[in-house]
Amino acid sequence: EAGVAQSPRYKIIEKRQSVAFWCNPISGHATLYWYQQILGQGPKLLIQFQNNGVVDDSQLPKDRFSAERLKGVDSTLKIQPAKLEDSAVYLCASSLGQHEGEKLFFGSGTQLSVL
Amino acid sequence: KNEVEQSPQNLTAQEGEFITINCSYSVGISALHWLQQHPGGGIVSLFMLSSGKKKHGRLIATINIQEKHSSLHITASHPRDSAVYICAVRYARWTDKLIFGTGTRLQVFP
Repeated sequence: EAGVAQSPRYKIIEKRQSVAFWCNPISGHATLYWYQQILGQGPKLLIQFQNNGVVDDSQLPKDRFSAERLKGVDSTLKIQPAKLEDSAVYLCASSLGQHEGEKLFFGSGTQLSVL
Repeated sequence: KNEVEQSPQNLTAQEGEFITINCSYSVGISALHWLQQHPGGGIVSLFMLSSGKKKHGRLIATINIQEKHSSLHITASHPRDSAVYICAVRYARWTDKLIFGTGTRLQVFP
């Protein structure tokens, strides 16, 4: 079974530039999550999709971050413009549903460095 | 104060030692996850439990709902167990949201 695919693996940009991350969840998984993990901290949920609808984006800095999941499959997360404090690993995860019994599958993440 | 507390933050061990990592949380939960994160970012789900105990190979996870506490044990530790171990809970009130601990960094030396 193919896992959660993310790209790029690494990205280095200067502050005020734009960047986009891509995630392809496991086939058939309805729920997709984007997490931000700053060095030394646990992952923080940015946005959760159920199919192509947003379930929770309460911690997404909407002035600069945006995400979409067209057709309920792949998803992109964009930062425009980037700030130094956005340097982190951006993790995508998926699960079959959103119930408490669902196991999460994580991608390898995109490590973003903002200079 | 983080809603999910893990201890210790850092742990070093010699190969073969028995290891325990602890996780405590503040309110009622519907499920607790133990995750393993290797250098480079990839996260693997080890266990999902809501009561009792689960075992997979050399890994054992227990949870005490009354005490709001879970432990992850590694028997006969090996250098390849070196990773960050993260506890995450789904609160009963918000079943669609995971709250993560800050992780325990484990290094096992040969």
